[in-house]
Amino acid sequence: DAGITQSPRHKVTETGTPVTLRCHQTENHRYMYWYRQDPGHGLRLIHYSYGVKDTDKGEVSDGYSVSRSKTEDFLLTLESATSSQTSVYFCAISGQGATGELFFGEGSRLTVL
Amino acid sequence: KNEVEQSPQNLTAQEGEFITINCSYSVGISALHWLQQHPGGGIVSLFMLSSGKKKHGRLIATINIQEKHSSLHITASHPRDSAVYICAVLKSGNTPLVFGKGTRLSVIA
Repeated sequence: DAGITQSPRHKVTETGTPVTLRCHQTENHRYMYWYRQDPGHGLRLIHYSYGVKDTDKGEVSDGYSVSRSKTEDFLLTLESATSSQTSVYFCAISGQGATGELFFGEGSRLTVL
Repeated sequence: KNEVEQSPQNLTAQEGEFITINCSYSVGISALHWLQQHPGGGIVSLFMLSSGKKKHGRLIATINIQEKHSSLHITASHPRDSAVYICAVLKSGNTPLVFGKGTRLSVIA
């Protein structure tokens, strides 16, 4: 199994509070992605990174920011969480851009009350 | 219209049946992925295809680039195959993957 872990796995928070999700990899893969998964929508890309300090927006990036200061860590931050951000968040990694095999983390379930 | 469409959305089969899940896409692609997600579980990559056919155990994936269509087949289905199967395409130009909404498969013993 690829070395990719997400933390926290579960979090309940209140509207307006900041939240940071962490994705950590031990594979030294260049590409890292954050997705959210919601019923009826499937997986949607929030942000992705193609190297240290190189990031770009996905289709649902509003309300989210990311940082990648080291190859192994990709952080997703909700500056002020809203109920619409209640979701399951998945991190994924790939060594060859999207032409390589994808490995997913186990997901982080976030509930915003 | 979504760039990636899967059919059916839901599928129930009896154990032992041959199963086909379809994926159609409307853009030029350089690769297509099939992923599997068990209930409450993580997501696992089954296949990555750019042409032809791949087989792994009871799973077979095919792609027809000209027709913009891919199929995932499961032979001799088993209850442990019950999962959501997701098709994802890499559009030409190496932009991030675009996902279908998934097909929920239930295999009944």
